Amino acid sequence: DAGVIQSPRHEVTEMGQEVTLRCKPISGHDYLFWYRQTMMRGLELLIYFNNNVPIDDSGMPEDRFSAKMPNASFSTLKIQPSEPRDSAVYFCASSLSGVLSYGYTFGSGTRLTVV
Amino acid sequence: QKEVEQNSGPLSVPEGAIASLNCTYSDRGSQSFFWYRQYSGKSPELIMFIYSNGDKEDGRFTAQLNKASQYVSLLIRDSQPSDSATYLCAVNIAGGGNKLTFGTGTQLKVEL
Repeated sequence: DAGVIQSPRHEVTEMGQEVTLRCKPISGHDYLFWYRQTMMRGLELLIYFNNNVPIDDSGMPEDRFSAKMPNASFSTLKIQPSEPRDSAVYFCASSLSGVLSYGYTFGSGTRLTVV
Repeated sequence: QKEVEQNSGPLSVPEGAIASLNCTYSDRGSQSFFWYRQYSGKSPELIMFIYSNGDKEDGRFTAQLNKASQYVSLLIRDSQPSDSATYLCAVNIAGGGNKLTFGTGTQLKVEL
């Protein structure tokens, strides 16, 4: 298995532009998580899905952020409009239902820089 | 109070020594506990998980859980320079579904 695949690896954009981050979870995993990591705040959960349905989006910072999971093999996190304070590494992770003992498998992350 | 707290470090230990990493959590109903390792510029990778009070060993790693005192620790025996990384503690909060809450991590440096 190729693991969790994220794209792009790096994204540099200007303030006010729309940014779309992409994630392909491990085949068969039915949970998908989006986290954001900064030096100051560490790893913060933004939103997670179970069977393509958003379960908890309480971590989404504001309306500028949105996430979708149209099918079991693809999810997007969109920021519109982007701001410099959105600069961070965004991780996608997936896991099997009821098998929390295996934890999550993380993707390689997308390093976002908003200038 | 943060839900999961870790000393940011850095924690420096000589090669071959035992490294002890600690984590405290605030929710008494927390059920499962995880240790992840993250090398600089890389994604977190799972090292160990523990559910029950006591010790759990896996190779050079031992996780220790004390629910009464609300702390979990990770011991790394015979530390190697390749163990130098940031170690993240993660907790499944009661009623939190399948989501994990992470501490901010402890940076470990193993010196030659």
